Amino acid sequence: GAVVSQHPSRVICKSGTSVKIECRSLDFQATTMFWYRQFPKKSLMLMATSNEGSKATYEQGVEKDKFLINHASLTLSTLTVTSAHPEDSSFYICSARDLQDYNSPLHFGNGTRLTVT
Amino acid sequence: AQSVAQPEDQVNVAEGNPLTVKCTYSVSGNPYLFWYVQYPNRGLQFLLKYITGDNLVKGSYGFEAEFNKSQTSFHLKKPSALVSDSALYFCAVSRGSTLGRLYFGRGTQLTVWP
Repeated sequence: GAVVSQHPSRVICKSGTSVKIECRSLDFQATTMFWYRQFPKKSLMLMATSNEGSKATYEQGVEKDKFLINHASLTLSTLTVTSAHPEDSSFYICSARDLQDYNSPLHFGNGTRLTVT
Repeated sequence: AQSVAQPEDQVNVAEGNPLTVKCTYSVSGNPYLFWYVQYPNRGLQFLLKYITGDNLVKGSYGFEAEFNKSQTSFHLKKPSALVSDSALYFCAVSRGSTLGRLYFGRGTQLTVWP
């Protein structure tokens, strides 16, 4: 079945540094990938829609200069948390849908636990 | 606007008993409905979906869900719960024309006790 690989699974960084999270579709192509943020015991909050070859679409309230998204190929999207602060600590999850199968469900990565100290 | 309501934060059931996790939705146009399960510190795993056709949808691990248009509901069910079913369950909806952009409920923590 379709697999989305997310890396790293866990990262700890110091306040003020930047962290890059990768999301890859391993056996399918995806023109669109989605980035979610999940707070403890909370639902998923859609942060942005990543579009291959064009600018990402950010949800209201999400700082695009802080959460940089790049979708350079049909199988890779990256989320960079710039100048991270402790309040950015969270669980970040990416998802993608198979370009060739319009009715396929979204496939999710295993998430990245970010801790900013 | 699209939205999903999962009225129960927590559902507890004994192993072997039937389980139901409730979901109601609001969407303009035809709904595409999904159930996902999340285990601790993991991403979401797809369980089942309803797009069109039979109202009763069968999915992975013995789960099924019934689409009820008049009640705008899509409850998740399983005839006999397992301890290993304990996890966080999310209902999600998208409009047919924007498939891929999902609106999630807040999640229901299912605990199956032995």
